[in-house]
Amino acid sequence: GQNIDQPTEMTATEGAIVQINCTYQTSGFNGLFWYQQHAGEAPTFLSYNVLDGLEEKGRFSSFLSRSKGYSYLLLKELQMKDSASYLCAVRVGSYNTDKLIFGTGTRLQVFP
Amino acid sequence: GAGVSQSPSNKVTEKGKDVELRCDPISGHTALYWYRQSLGQGLEFLIYFQGNSAPDKSGLPSDRFSAERTGGSVSTLTIQRTQQEDSAVYLCASSYGQGRSSGGETQYFGPGTRLLVL
Repeated sequence: GQNIDQPTEMTATEGAIVQINCTYQTSGFNGLFWYQQHAGEAPTFLSYNVLDGLEEKGRFSSFLSRSKGYSYLLLKELQMKDSASYLCAVRVGSYNTDKLIFGTGTRLQVFP
Repeated sequence: GAGVSQSPSNKVTEKGKDVELRCDPISGHTALYWYRQSLGQGLEFLIYFQGNSAPDKSGLPSDRFSAERTGGSVSTLTIQRTQQEDSAVYLCASSYGQGRSSGGETQYFGPGTRLLVL
């Protein structure tokens, strides 16, 4: 089966740091994506991890541990515009398919 | 360059009617995906197209759903005899596809079509 878990909601204060965790159990693994989705809008790509370790991109970092089936997204220096849903997705596939399995998303609210 | 575009942006239909949703992928992207996002649910994979290969239709929820991709570009998702449980946002994504160098696997999403079945 395919199972991806992430917290439903989180809150944080402007300027703070927040970590959004994601655990997964999937049949197959070809990488893990994080997307940001503002209400009523399309998901936008944030990060992609295929090897263990930390990927840093400005205020956003993403970590992956394949042996633990675990990832996190770290957001630093939070801004009000970071209020959105954050989607964890595992890429699975083979020679004839390629798809993303999504968690239900973590809704982050940033307060002043 | 232009991103993924979808039309219509909103669609309201009556139960039992057929609907067609359209997706224009990013130019040069050979892979195209359809997902469905129901209220309070995660994105659910529906179908995958890669070049001229047979599509992966394993995510289509019933035989009322079908999709085609003409000329390796534009795709149409058709829902026949719509039901109220089909109400959702239908998202299309595209990528450079398998076999490309790192980064080619990133899927870029369109704005979606919000379907409401009354």
